[in-house]
Amino acid sequence: DTEVTQTPKHLVMGMTNKKSLKCEQHMGHRAMYWYKQKAKKPPELMFVYSYEKLSINESVPSRFSPECPNSSLLNLHLHALQPEDSALYLCASSHPQGQGGYTFGSGTRLTVV
Amino acid sequence: GESVGLHLPTLSVQEGDNSIINCAYSNSASDYFIWYKQESGKGPQFIIDIRSNMDKRQGQRVTVLLNKTVKHLSLQIAATQPGDSAVYFCAENAPDSSYKLIFGSGTRLLVRP
Repeated sequence: DTEVTQTPKHLVMGMTNKKSLKCEQHMGHRAMYWYKQKAKKPPELMFVYSYEKLSINESVPSRFSPECPNSSLLNLHLHALQPEDSALYLCASSHPQGQGGYTFGSGTRLTVV
Repeated sequence: GESVGLHLPTLSVQEGDNSIINCAYSNSASDYFIWYKQESGKGPQFIIDIRSNMDKRQGQRVTVLLNKTVKHLSLQIAATQPGDSAVYFCAENAPDSSYKLIFGSGTRLLVRP
């Protein structure tokens, strides 16, 4: 298995809702990432997990809460989002320190209404 | 500060011609570079990578060139096909943290039939 699987593919949520994005990989990668991508822009790093521990938080607002339950799963919990948080949320994984490159999922298209 | 940028936001080429997508980076300490292809509605797809101890690396129909003297990276696509139409991003591995991948602003490649 050489894929990163993200669910759901599309999500529409209200500003008072709580939802979660899920990411799964079975490549044995011990580093996992959340990126945010706005239209016509490059992906921007949000969080990095290394060996299931949060190693980088790029000053992301607390309404985004990451979780890494085990070495194959990565979640992003969403609460009280704003319309400007609408974007494509990408999950990626790699071996530690990016050796061998980073594999991206297809993303979750999030719309906040 | 660190930045990875592209000279041309949009490149239009005739089917069958060769394409060259350029990228400039500012951090001379970066040691790992990746080219990604992103089609509409999909996540970034790995194309080819290169480490700073190399000047050139070839894949199937693609070649990456690295000029460390002028901090320039290019992606060459031979015999461009309609399926090559996409946005192409260069990315560098930040030296201050091996887990951070910094993306350039992207170039849209349009292949004319």
